[in-house]
Amino acid sequence: EADIYQTPRYLVIGTGKKITLECSQTMGHDKMYWYQQDPGMELHLIHYSYGVNSTEKGDLSSESTVSRIRTEHFPLTLESARPSHTSQYLCASSGLAGTNEKLFFGSGTQLSVL
Amino acid sequence: GDSVTQMEGPVTLSEEAFLTINCTYTATGYPSLFWYVQYPGEGLQLLLKATKADDKGSNKGFEATYRKETTSFHLEKGSVQVSDSAVYFCALSASSASKIIFGSGTRLSIRP
Repeated sequence: EADIYQTPRYLVIGTGKKITLECSQTMGHDKMYWYQQDPGMELHLIHYSYGVNSTEKGDLSSESTVSRIRTEHFPLTLESARPSHTSQYLCASSGLAGTNEKLFFGSGTQLSVL
Repeated sequence: GDSVTQMEGPVTLSEEAFLTINCTYTATGYPSLFWYVQYPGEGLQLLLKATKADDKGSNKGFEATYRKETTSFHLEKGSVQVSDSAVYFCALSASSASKIIFGSGTRLSIRP
């Protein structure tokens, strides 16, 4: 059902490298989100966007940055990866701004920084 | 601020057992309430939702009733299957403009 895609599915990278996690959705959703999921499963909102050129930081402080130049695309970038960034990153989207629709999640990117 | 508290896991049951996963919330106004499920190796997906008091959400044999008087949204299933093994998240959205707030998740394992 979900038309939201994350790449890569798994990424192993060395400390200090710049990485971009891709997230795209084909549903025309205004709202998009990035969550970090720790090994204990808890979800932490790190970034969200309510539309093009709109980005906000979430509840958990993160060294990552995001951009929203196109409605369908919401990439997350780490300028210099560190082992503390090792985690599962989940992208999500929901319907039109001003509505309260359900979230659609991608399959996630499991990031390991060595 | 708004928050969701759910039953700590892991929860392990035998097949065909009755399941309850407790969820309570704190929010101003009248939030929408959700249960999401994450199967192994997959992203989260919506299981069911309720948008106003006394609404009952249901899907795949699971049910949850929005109880404003007890600020609860407990998840129940009468007879669980091995395929129900997953992590379950309770969540709320306090208004149409707000973020969705998730509970900490409950891992459910069903023994054959």
